Amino acid sequence: EAQVTQNPRYLITVTGKKLTVTCSQNMNHEYMSWYRQDPGLGLRQIYYSMNVEVTDKGDVPEGYKVSRKEKRNFPLILESPSPNQTSLYFCASRPGQGGGEQYFGPGTRLTVT
Amino acid sequence: GESVGLHLPTLSVQEGDNSIINCAYSNSASDYFIWYKQESGKGPQFIIDIRSNMDKRQGQRVTVLLNKTVKHLSLQIAATQPGDSAVYFCAENPMNTGNQFYFGTGTSLTVIP
Repeated sequence: EAQVTQNPRYLITVTGKKLTVTCSQNMNHEYMSWYRQDPGLGLRQIYYSMNVEVTDKGDVPEGYKVSRKEKRNFPLILESPSPNQTSLYFCASRPGQGGGEQYFGPGTRLTVT
Repeated sequence: GESVGLHLPTLSVQEGDNSIINCAYSNSASDYFIWYKQESGKGPQFIIDIRSNMDKRQGQRVTVLLNKTVKHLSLQIAATQPGDSAVYFCAENPMNTGNQFYFGTGTSLTVIP
């Protein structure tokens, strides 16, 4: 089954404790992206990647890091989480730059206390 | 940053009626637009897309209309069903931002049986 998976689905952590949210897709997609979703603000793009070893900042990259060492994986790293990073995070992938349907993962609800 | 807005935060329709969800965008350089559906507890799901060289595109029970003159996008759902109850987002991909996507805040559609 074609899908985007994220882990963990739920995470409660404390300020300053480094964490990684994993994202994996099994569709051989070139493009992957991370979004955060907050009430009243909609989905905002954090980082995206056009291919292996190619990453670019989205609209709200501050406080986040990403890496794309393999085509299928695109982890989101919070080196020193803060309470304002409490949010619902979605990973997504799509075939490539030419367009195509963007597939979203099920979401990771992160709470930073 | 980009501004992608929706005219109404909530919409209630009777089962079997047609639904129209509207979206305004601000970037004249946007050339690709997408509508997504998000059910409670799930990630956004692609519904239909349209490029700026088109005014209208039809899918199964859905139609997207694009008016570039007034920078307006709409999603029409024919014969709305209870399973259509969800939050609907429009998103734009401006040419001058590479592969960034900007999402609206969403309209919550409730279908009354």
